[in-house]
Amino acid sequence: SAVISQKPSRDICQRGTSLTIQCQVDSQVTMMFWYRQQPGQSLTLIATANQGSEATYESGFVIDKFPISRPNLTFSTLTVSNMSPEDSSIYLCSVPGSRGGGGTQETQYFGPGTRLLVL
Amino acid sequence: SQQGEEDPQALSIQEGENATMNCSYKTSINNLQWYRQNSGRGLVHLILIRSNEREKHSGRLRVTLDTSKKSSSLLITASRAADTASYFCATSSGGSNYKLTFGKGTLLTVNP
Repeated sequence: SAVISQKPSRDICQRGTSLTIQCQVDSQVTMMFWYRQQPGQSLTLIATANQGSEATYESGFVIDKFPISRPNLTFSTLTVSNMSPEDSSIYLCSVPGSRGGGGTQETQYFGPGTRLLVL
Repeated sequence: SQQGEEDPQALSIQEGENATMNCSYKTSINNLQWYRQNSGRGLVHLILIRSNEREKHSGRLRVTLDTSKKSSSLLITASRAADTASYFCATSSGGSNYKLTFGKGTLLTVNP
């Protein structure tokens, strides 16, 4: 299974500022996913980040608010821009599983998440 | 619209008892998965069942899928305190197996 780390693990930010979250994977992957989990809620997919192309955003999420970088096959960043208290959430990155690695391509491995509180 | 809806929202049982959680969904699916999340941390994949399967086992886990009712259940047998977590179902549908739609989750508390 893939080992995924995220930085920072948590942060408290002031409204109007921006925070960049990093996601590092221990193996090369084509696709990486970014999710948001609002307090007490389920996960919602923000975007899919492919190396070498623009990220694909889900309905309700836009690049100006959540710019994503994918400079190589093991790393991605998600920026939460011009934050408001409504952005307080856990942000998680994930990658698809792989055949023979204990999972399948349909499954996903998740990072530990970044817990963000916006005041 | 929310694809997966779990019930109950919260479940509290004693150690050794069985825990059953249900998930309903609205559209046709390629597969359905169950994930566990401990204390707001990252999710851990538990089990995947494909649309042409009806039942699957993995250790103390048993998953069933009824595509005619668009529902699935997760049974955890002989529960342990370490099973305390939130459990989410997630579905993939259409042309993409990668895009998962998660349900709202069931918070399971196993009391020692």
